[in-house]
Amino acid sequence: DARVTQTPRHKVTEMGQEVTMRCQPILGHNTVFWYRQTMMQGLELLAYFRNRAPLDDSGMPKDRFSAEMPDATLATLKIQPSEPRDSAVYFCASGLVAKSATQGETQYFGPGTRLLVL
Amino acid sequence: KQEVTQIPAALSVPEGENLVLNCSFTDSAIYNLQWFRQDPGKGLTSLLLIQSSQREQTSGRLNASLDKSSGRSTLYIAASQPGDSATYLCAVEAFQGAQKLVFGQGTRLTINP
Repeated sequence: DARVTQTPRHKVTEMGQEVTMRCQPILGHNTVFWYRQTMMQGLELLAYFRNRAPLDDSGMPKDRFSAEMPDATLATLKIQPSEPRDSAVYFCASGLVAKSATQGETQYFGPGTRLLVL
Repeated sequence: KQEVTQIPAALSVPEGENLVLNCSFTDSAIYNLQWFRQDPGKGLTSLLLIQSSQREQTSGRLNASLDKSSGRSTLYIAASQPGDSATYLCAVEAFQGAQKLVFGQGTRLTINP
């Protein structure tokens, strides 16, 4: 049963600390997305990658957030330094898009990392 | 900028009833619309995806319709069960951002036994 995995599932940290969240997409998927979910803003896309290359990170605060895909089996989202307003659930999702396609198919979501910054 | 709205924000109905969840979007230039289910503390599960050229999709007791010109979609749940209790979100993939989904705030559904 292929699924997206995320670690850690929960993280409590103090303001100013670095936070690293990891995601393992479904094997064979070529697109990876990072979302943030809060009560106030709902689900927002932060960044996404296709074939490990960043396609769009316009939803991400550039001064403190960074997203990378060191290899096809690992995506990371880092916050440095973290702030209380970063408290949210961060979801990773993966999908498979044909080379010639411009539109997406179903995205498969991980269980999320629940982050609390004190 | 594409905006997606879901009404109502919460809905509570007795078991066995048929119900409709609503989703509206401001820009009709979309590739597709998807309905997701989210259980408390969990990720999202895709229920149905309707391409822009389609009018509806069905999966079991679920039927989703799409009226692109009016910017509306509905999710119809037949013979509701307590296990259908969850938050339902709709999302559109707009032309300006292929594969970028814009989500509504969701409808929290409670089915009472």
